[in-house]
Amino acid sequence: AQSVSQHNHHVILSEAASLELGCNYSYGGTVNLFWYVQYPGQHLQLLLKYFSGDPLVKGIKGFEAEFIKSKFSFNLRKPSVQWSDTAEYFCAVNHTGAGNMLTFGGGTRLMVKP
Amino acid sequence: EAGVAQSPRYKIIEKRQSVAFWCNPISGHATLYWYQQILGQGPKLLIQFQNNGVVDDSQLPKDRFSAERLKGVDSTLKIQPAKLEDSAVYLCASSPFRAGGPDTQYFGPGTRLTVL
Repeated sequence: AQSVSQHNHHVILSEAASLELGCNYSYGGTVNLFWYVQYPGQHLQLLLKYFSGDPLVKGIKGFEAEFIKSKFSFNLRKPSVQWSDTAEYFCAVNHTGAGNMLTFGGGTRLMVKP
Repeated sequence: EAGVAQSPRYKIIEKRQSVAFWCNPISGHATLYWYQQILGQGPKLLIQFQNNGVVDDSQLPKDRFSAERLKGVDSTLKIQPAKLEDSAVYLCASSPFRAGGPDTQYFGPGTRLTVL
């Protein structure tokens, strides 16, 4: 069965620090990749997605992610975090043959200190 | 554009009681999903509908969970009887159907269920 791993469960950063959250998946075929964010008290929102094309994907609020097929990874990055980035971040993967079913990672809780 | 609506937002019940959750997807979205998110974990798909037909319910505990999407719009998820381990947030999501292509899912606010 397909699995998605987010190795960092909790991350604490100071404002202006750079962020990289890891995401690895297990499926070897064609995949579609997503990062969702859940701000405190809010619902899951799409941050960015990769379907095909340029493996460096830019999303909202200055976030980007890079798909590295050889490493089965889709890491999320932001050069300078803000206090308002405090949230939980989820990586999700959908592979061809699975319909539109998403498999989520366990999430990374990010706290940004002002 | 209105988002995915869910109700109730919170529900507290005792074990062995029954409970139902309601979801109204984004207008025009053919596909509807129910996920279970246990505290500290990522969402796990329970069931996926395409219009009013079930596409995937392989992870739905069918002895106690049921779901329907009459008329291909609103959906209801029911648990009967509830167990302590059903305590979780139940998320509804919807996506427009793109034949042969990947879809983006949009999530509702969820219903937080506590089973005592």
